[in-house]
Amino acid sequence: GQQLNQSPQSMFIQEGEDVSMNCTSSSIFNTWLWYKQEPGEGPVLLIALYKAGELTSNGRLTAQFGITRKDSFLNISASIPSDVGIYFCAGFIIQGAQKLVFGQGTRLTINP
Amino acid sequence: DTAVSQTPKYLVTQMGNDKSIKCEQNLGHDTMYWYKQDSKKFLKIMFSYNNKELIINETVPNRFSPKSPDKAHLNLHINSLELGDSAVYFCASSRGAGSKNIQYFGAGTRLSVL
Repeated sequence: GQQLNQSPQSMFIQEGEDVSMNCTSSSIFNTWLWYKQEPGEGPVLLIALYKAGELTSNGRLTAQFGITRKDSFLNISASIPSDVGIYFCAGFIIQGAQKLVFGQGTRLTINP
Repeated sequence: DTAVSQTPKYLVTQMGNDKSIKCEQNLGHDTMYWYKQDSKKFLKIMFSYNNKELIINETVPNRFSPKSPDKAHLNLHINSLELGDSAVYFCASSRGAGSKNIQYFGAGTRLSVL
């Protein structure tokens, strides 16, 4: 089945550092999404990407939809303590019933 | 004014029991979903309903039976609970079923089967 490979699985950084994570797949997706999940909560959408090559920012977050439609990255600049959480990429498959497939998540820990 | 609300938030039960989780959304969305998140935080879709009709059923054991009494509600009933059913179950909703429709998630129900 369709799989998203997300890396890294975890990151330990200092406050103020920039963060980069990415997702790749052998399948083509027509939408890429980045979600953040905090403890005891559900995933919350950060950025949605709909076109190959699209680069979108949301405050300190920037994400890009890869030109091959098989990958996406998320960057966080100047990290702050509240950035802690698990970040998930997700892609919509385009064959059959449209459904969202999630990556394995990147757990971000920040040392103040 | 919670958008997608699930009850209960925690559910602890014995193997073999039957339990239900309820979900309600007040966003006026037509499509609702159930996801399962395992202990490694992997999120996988289980079911999707659009206008009360089942459109996705991801090879989930038939002990799991979703029910959508109306567009704003999607409940999940689980029969004969097994240890492997322990997970966090998330409800989500979106305006429509296509890829341009953002899914909004509830806070999750943590199910522990003893």
